[in-house]
Amino acid sequence: SQQGEEDPQALSIQEGENATMNCSYKTSINNLQWYRQNSGRGLVHLILIRSNEREKHSGRLRVTLDTSKKSSSLLITASRAADTASYFCATDTTGNQFYFGTGTSLTVIP
Amino acid sequence: DAGVIQSPRHEVTEMGQEVTLRCKPISGHNSLFWYRQTMMRGLELLIYFNNNVPIDDSGMPEDRFSAKMPNASFSTLKIQPSEPRDSAVYFCASNLAGELFFGEGSRLTVL
Repeated sequence: SQQGEEDPQALSIQEGENATMNCSYKTSINNLQWYRQNSGRGLVHLILIRSNEREKHSGRLRVTLDTSKKSSSLLITASRAADTASYFCATDTTGNQFYFGTGTSLTVIP
Repeated sequence: DAGVIQSPRHEVTEMGQEVTLRCKPISGHNSLFWYRQTMMRGLELLIYFNNNVPIDDSGMPEDRFSAKMPNASFSTLKIQPSEPRDSAVYFCASNLAGELFFGEGSRLTVL
């Protein structure tokens, strides 16, 4: 019942570089969210973008949404070692059901 | 607020035993979700409750799995009997204004 799929599965970059992750999904959505998961921990909400929005910013995060292509991207600028984590997109299809993608494992090398 | 609280954090049990996982959502959140995370299948939505009522349990894998929410501050996920393929991290999350708040998870190992 997974809705989304992230790409790439794993990403390794140097500190200070930008990291871009992509998410594709299958059906119409109300909104799309990105979450972060540190190893051994629960997921933490990062940002939400509604279906009628195309771009949103929050600090070093930039999210885009293309509903015609059923895809979203998450850009983390000026990455830090502390950004090392797994990142998941989640789609809200009915207003109260959240389906998660497969995740991108990001490693930021100091 | 302490956030979503799950217990136990770790459980190791033998095949055939009953397992009960517990969750206390954040006060005031009216929706609660149970997810299962494995390497093979990622995060799977098992069941969610709205105002303590189960709304969609289509993700519950088998009759061996059951979930209850007797009141707004407590939910359980029960597996009886447990099998090795149930080994996973089980997450509980509550919802406010479209944002999910996750607990730290219960890591279950069934031998």
